[in-house]
Amino acid sequence: GQQVMQIPQYQHVQEGEDFTTYCNSSTTLSNIQWYKQRPGGHPVFLIQLVKSGEVKKQKRLTFQFGEAKKNSSLHITATQTTDVGTYFCAPTKGGSEKLVFGKGTKLTVNP
Amino acid sequence: DGGITQSPKYLFRKEGQNVTLSCEQNLNHDAMYWYRQDPGQGLRLIYYSQIVNDFQKGDIAEGYSVSREKKESFPLTVTSAQKNPTAFYLCASSVGLSRYNEQFFGPGTRLTVL
Repeated sequence: GQQVMQIPQYQHVQEGEDFTTYCNSSTTLSNIQWYKQRPGGHPVFLIQLVKSGEVKKQKRLTFQFGEAKKNSSLHITATQTTDVGTYFCAPTKGGSEKLVFGKGTKLTVNP
Repeated sequence: DGGITQSPKYLFRKEGQNVTLSCEQNLNHDAMYWYRQDPGQGLRLIYYSQIVNDFQKGDIAEGYSVSREKKESFPLTVTSAQKNPTAFYLCASSVGLSRYNEQFFGPGTRLTVL
């Protein structure tokens, strides 16, 4: 079954509001990737975090990896309608080379 | 234009029939993957292959089979043994089987078993 918890499952915001999704694990993660899937589309890679406490930014998107490497977050500042979709975290653990996808957070934006 | 193609986009089959989903990539990637996605669920790994003529079971391999005879191709067969085959199937590839490699996804095949 799922080994990571991603919250919230759904988030509806007004355009211009901020949005955050969290990915939590009970065990230490090796690294974590984030993907976005637009409605009716396929997942597209956004970013990878590897180091403890790492923070990366892509325009209005900020990705963080926790100090203990057990959690991660994706924050979008001032959402736009183009941000609509489902955001998945996909970490790997221990000696595994395989990604384990969270259930995703579905973001809808009201214009 | 490099990428991953999956065909068909929509597929309908009667219960009890085997069906094969196509996945082709021209990215020269060694690793390929099959995922299943159900509404409100994440992606669950069915099978993966890191090299030609080699493949491994993922988390939900029961009722599925694959082959990897060519580097570019990784077809998935959904057999009649799969109890709940209706789902969205995604094929992906990466440069190699490493946790640090991003995965590139195809457009998916939506399978409906009637």
